[in-house]
Amino acid sequence: EVQLVESGGGLVQPGGSLRLSCAASGFTFNTYAMSWVRQAPGKGLEWVSAISGSGASTYYADSVKGRFTISRDNSKNTLYLQMNSLRAEDTAVYYCAKVDTAMVTFGYFDYWGRGTLVTVSS
Amino acid sequence: SYVLTQPPSVSVAPGQTARITCGGNNIGSKNVHWCQQKPGQAPVLVIYYDRDRPSGIPERFSGSNSGNTATLTISRVEAGDEADYFCQVWDSSSDHWVFGGGTKLTVL
Repeated sequence: EVQLVESGGGLVQPGGSLRLSCAASGFTFNTYAMSWVRQAPGKGLEWVSAISGSGASTYYADSVKGRFTISRDNSKNTLYLQMNSLRAEDTAVYYCAKVDTAMVTFGYFDYWGRGTLVTVSS
Repeated sequence: SYVLTQPPSVSVAPGQTARITCGGNNIGSKNVHWCQQKPGQAPVLVIYYDRDRPSGIPERFSGSNSGNTATLTISRVEAGDEADYFCQVWDSSSDHWVFGGGTKLTVL
């Protein structure tokens, strides 16, 4: 059974940093691309970032490019999102999602985690 | 950047058919995926590659995609189908995933 468990969320001040993790199990982690998607309170889904199965290719939404860094440790079956220079508008539930292929540019999000809440406030 | 447009809400009586649209410029040339999100829960994939259903998704869920509109159709709607539905595509011109704004399905 595929499981994706996010962690690392919490309350952080504007300008601060946070690192999210997504522990994956139930599939061969290094053969699938992964992605982060966020949802602000009461709003829709917003794609944040994605990474290929090997980690060689990364993609970012314009709203986070230069501030967030996606990475993965295939030896630990874990996906990460390093978030720097956080802003109030980054407040959201952050979901990790599995892509059904190794490449980000094809496929679809076939499994989602339950999410972790990030609140940016002073 | 590529924009996907969904109606904010759709209402339908139990047993009737709900159609949720997703508009985008020449969306028929893209692969469209749909997910369902119930309150307080993570999204769940219901349709991929325009019209394919993951295992465990009822046959009542179907999809189509042509021209500038993709459509998620839910036949014989049940109270348990009440949720937010989001369409999604990969925009190769920007190398971005794009979500529609979401449609709240209300079962009357």
